[in-house]
Amino acid sequence: DAEITQSPRHKITETGRQVTLACHQTWNHNNMFWYRQDLGHGLRLIHYSYGVQDTNKGEVSDGYSVSRSNTEDLPLTLESAASSQTSVYFCASSESSLAGISNTGELFFGEGSRLTVL
Amino acid sequence: QKEVEQDPGPLSVPEGAIVSLNCTYSNSAFQYFMWYRQYSRKGPELLMYTYSSGNKEDGRFTAQVDKSSKYISLFIRDSQPSDSATYLCAIAVWAAGNKLTFGGGTRVLVKP
Repeated sequence: DAEITQSPRHKITETGRQVTLACHQTWNHNNMFWYRQDLGHGLRLIHYSYGVQDTNKGEVSDGYSVSRSNTEDLPLTLESAASSQTSVYFCASSESSLAGISNTGELFFGEGSRLTVL
Repeated sequence: QKEVEQDPGPLSVPEGAIVSLNCTYSNSAFQYFMWYRQYSRKGPELLMYTYSSGNKEDGRFTAQVDKSSKYISLFIRDSQPSDSATYLCAIAVWAAGNKLTFGGGTRVLVKP
């Protein structure tokens, strides 16, 4: 069955370290997204990609970067981890744009990566 | 002011009761409305979606959209303990590449 997997599921790191969270999907979806989820803020979009070599900033992109070298993967990198980046991170993928009537626009989420920055 | 507001709850109801959840939004450009359900320590999963004002039913779930008031609702009839989860509304501008704006989520607890 097609799926989306995130790794690691749990990570503890120190302030200032570089951290990379992996996301891999086997649906062959063009669109991939990274969200962070915090109490009181819900899910907030960090970065997203509509295809290979395409990346875009979301509403909370400062301190994060992504790269898209193939369809299946969108790793999220924290260049220099800060305590404010302690959160649960969700990767998601979807078919292309909502423009197609047959496309429900559904996002398929991974199970999350819980990151603690000490 | 957030683009999408949702009461965080928690909302505790007895089994069999009707659960009523709602969100308000500020951007009239939003055209596409979804509800996601998220169990503890899991990723959200799509529950319902709709493109238009009015009601949409799916089994025990009814999604309601009032574009004139910028207000969306989700009703769960005959609630079950398995409905205990966090429910997130998500809204998008049509053809905006699935860029969803999420509400903060409402935690629901259905007691046996």
